[in-house]
Amino acid sequence: AQKITQTQPGMFVQEKEAVTLDCTYDTSDQSYGLFWYKQPSSGEMIFLIYQGSYDEQNATEGRYSLNFQKARKSANLVISASQLGDSAMYFCAMREYAGGTSYGKLTFGQGTILTVHP
Amino acid sequence: KAGVTQTPRYLIKTRGQQVTLSCSPISGHRSVSWYQQTPGQGLQFLFEYFSETQRNKGNFPGRFSGRQFSNSRSEMNVSTLELGDSALYLCASSLALGADTQYFGPGTRLTVL
Repeated sequence: AQKITQTQPGMFVQEKEAVTLDCTYDTSDQSYGLFWYKQPSSGEMIFLIYQGSYDEQNATEGRYSLNFQKARKSANLVISASQLGDSAMYFCAMREYAGGTSYGKLTFGQGTILTVHP
Repeated sequence: KAGVTQTPRYLIKTRGQQVTLSCSPISGHRSVSWYQQTPGQGLQFLFEYFSETQRNKGNFPGRFSGRQFSNSRSEMNVSTLELGDSALYLCASSLALGADTQYFGPGTRLTVL
């Protein structure tokens, strides 16, 4: 069963506007972490933001915020004031902590290609 | 602080050959994980090393192996290359086993002809 689902293969946004990238996840663990990474065409995965399952506040990092809705198992990324340099592939990922054997293993979604128009 | 470095950045091999990829983690990071990225399968976890020991392994055949050295640098090896092994291989480092955030390197793009 797919654990991370990103339903938007591609998204378009106008420069300076906000955009939301969707991510839903599936886990039976109570303790887990959710991550968003950005992958430009160069290939490097750039860490953007992290949300722990027990964090009560939504995570924010500069122009990035994570809209965490635990009951709905969603962890959407919101990018405010989009810039041309935000054009890239965005991945949602999850790490499950319970069981002791998952350690650093990240499970990734299929990604969303974001294109920012001037 | 320097980021994660991977060498080589690009590699072309033929079927049946073997290949070794190298990863140097961020200074002070002791855990290294490897991922394979392909258009068809997306990003898949290969294995994780900490204190020179493999701590976790993904669902890959035994042709894929790795190791970690005392300075935390890691190598992964793929023997008897197949066309399907063509991929971007990404290395990620984190402070310790189970640490929250993994930081990725630029990847090694392997092409198998």
